[in-house]
Amino acid sequence: SQELEQSPQSLIVQEGKNLTINCTSSKTLYGLYWYKQKYGEGLIFLMMLQKGGEEKSHEKITAKLDEKKQQSSLHITASQPSHAGIYLCGARMDSSYKLIFGSGTRLLVRP
Amino acid sequence: EAGVAQSPRYKIIEKRQSVAFWCNPISGHATLYWYQQILGQGPKLLIQFQNNGVVDDSQLPKDRFSAERLKGVDSTLKIQPAKLEDSAVYLCASSLEHLLEQYFGPGTRLTVT
Repeated sequence: SQELEQSPQSLIVQEGKNLTINCTSSKTLYGLYWYKQKYGEGLIFLMMLQKGGEEKSHEKITAKLDEKKQQSSLHITASQPSHAGIYLCGARMDSSYKLIFGSGTRLLVRP
Repeated sequence: EAGVAQSPRYKIIEKRQSVAFWCNPISGHATLYWYQQILGQGPKLLIQFQNNGVVDDSQLPKDRFSAERLKGVDSTLKIQPAKLEDSAVYLCASSLEHLLEQYFGPGTRLTVT
């Protein structure tokens, strides 16, 4: 979706390296959701951010939402092959329920 | 807790044929969503149900797509007749309430030849 831009489109890193994926909107977001998808499977919910400046972590994955609530980043520390997949950000652009998704970032972690 | 169930997982049909997909959401989830995900893109919402009522079907191609959730639990999505551009993964998701996180099923991969 052009309303939500993800970068980079794809990423190849060596196991053990850190990486960051970005999700940017031209509008203030009401909520930002990060999902992971493996090929041929559904989306796995990772984290939800709603407040400006909010930061959440789960295991080696940290997600942040900037103060303006227009940009979010997903950071993986000490990447592992199990982190490989497609990372999707989804956002609520208004007070309704509807989620708009970015096109995804394809991550490959080389052992 | 059982996740969102979908069937079939894969379907291959010829253009102009009909196809139906089934979804069973997580128990107790009032909100159910159908998404279409074309290869290389993020999911796009087709329709959202709150219990058995339609909340939003603005992006559903109603000339060929239909969906129902008669008893407020299971849902079916139908395409009749299918076009080549309908080839995609059809994802079903559910949430406890419409503003909370959505949980996705494994999807149905449709190929229209």
